[in-house]
Amino acid sequence: DQQVKQNSPSLSVQEGRISILNCDYTNSMFDYFLWYKKYPAEGPTFLISISSIKDKNEDGRFTVFLNKSAKHLSLHIVPSQPGDSAVYFCAASDLNYKIIFGKGTRLHILP
Amino acid sequence: NAGVTQTPKFQVLKTGQSMTLQCAQDMNHEYMSWYRQDPGMGLRLIHYSVGAGITDQGEVPNGYNVSRSTTEDFPLRLLSAAPSQTSVYFCASSPTGTGSDTQYFGPGTRLTVL
Repeated sequence: DQQVKQNSPSLSVQEGRISILNCDYTNSMFDYFLWYKKYPAEGPTFLISISSIKDKNEDGRFTVFLNKSAKHLSLHIVPSQPGDSAVYFCAASDLNYKIIFGKGTRLHILP
Repeated sequence: NAGVTQTPKFQVLKTGQSMTLQCAQDMNHEYMSWYRQDPGMGLRLIHYSVGAGITDQGEVPNGYNVSRSTTEDFPLRLLSAAPSQTSVYFCASSPTGTGSDTQYFGPGTRLTVL
């Protein structure tokens, strides 16, 4: 049973526009939510995270929003750039040191 | 600082063979973990360790063994490889394993089991 769900396998966005990637979760005990970015033939790299006690965290062009009542989070990338084309994984950590990942969303930035 | 290193990069096994995937980190991190990535399945946690001598199971532990005798190394053993274990394997480490830490991933090992 998937605890972290990314329901959009892929997303295409025009360069310069906003990219919004979504993630849903089922476990209310998750204490941190994280986003990782992955290029082909490389390991994932950390992008941004948010504590479960916050509703927004911003780092440059990247903002993560958390809606605990809906068990939903989203990653906003503004403005989108060609180098943002990658697979984005949503992940969540529980209090038992397990970090669970979603299936990923492939983002294509169109010129 | 090499970060997280994994060897080998590629491996082909026959069904029933055994092998060990190596993972090492030079950041003195207490927490290490193994994931597998399959098409359409994302990253799934196999095993993790919160320190030397301590290991625990993740989401998909069957068919894999781990041990953690040093802080630096966290090898993953396949005792009898099966075609279902064809995957890309990633090792990761972080200071404590809590959600506020950043996990650093290795470059991956692509394993094919025939």
